[in-house]
Amino acid sequence: DIVMTQSHKFMSTSVGDRVSITCKASQDVSTAVAWYQQKPGQSPKLLIYWASTRHTGVPDRFTGSGSGTDFTLTISNVQAEDLALYYCQQHYFTPFTFGSGTKLEIK
Amino acid sequence: EVKLEESGGGLVQPGGSMKLSCVASGFTFSNYWMSWVRQSPEKGLEWVAEIRLKSDNYGTHYAESVKGKFTISRDDSKSRLYLQMNSLRAEDTGIYYCIRLVYAMDHWGQGTSVTVSS
Repeated sequence: DIVMTQSHKFMSTSVGDRVSITCKASQDVSTAVAWYQQKPGQSPKLLIYWASTRHTGVPDRFTGSGSGTDFTLTISNVQAEDLALYYCQQHYFTPFTFGSGTKLEIK
Repeated sequence: EVKLEESGGGLVQPGGSMKLSCVASGFTFSNYWMSWVRQSPEKGLEWVAEIRLKSDNYGTHYAESVKGKFTISRDDSKSRLYLQMNSLRAEDTGIYYCIRLVYAMDHWGQGTSVTVSS
């Protein structure tokens, strides 16, 4: 199975800052990576797929990049409502696999 | 508006069975691959199974951890997705989400909680 590693369990940032969350795949997945946001008490929501394509309705503050094994989700001009867990996921091969999540904390 | 609503979760004893259901609305259900994903504090998010279209002979794929125990199925006439779970163990405990697949998992239900415990 492809292992998706999010090395930072927590990240802290301030409103208005820019933050980058990283994810590493254990093998080449081309650009078949998605990012999800999960707010407390809610189900995950798709933000980005194919590494850099924003899902419908996602603010352009959210940007995805990367290919091969290294991927980044960048949130510009962080808002208080961005407090959440962020997961990466490869959608290249089944079994689809997720990272363990990065919790974004707002100072 | 796309909506996915799961039901059927609850408490079940180890070795027991349970069938989850998901009703879809707001889109043409028969045109989409569908999937189940579960979430637990111990294992995080875990893809469980997917089912393809009638034109794909309703092909299915499963995570190794549930292969032979779980069966995913669909009824396109009712816009419903199912997950039959047998031989349940404590490690199957979690929130089970019904998901529409379009490249990635583009819509998720609110989830239904399954607890396997005596």
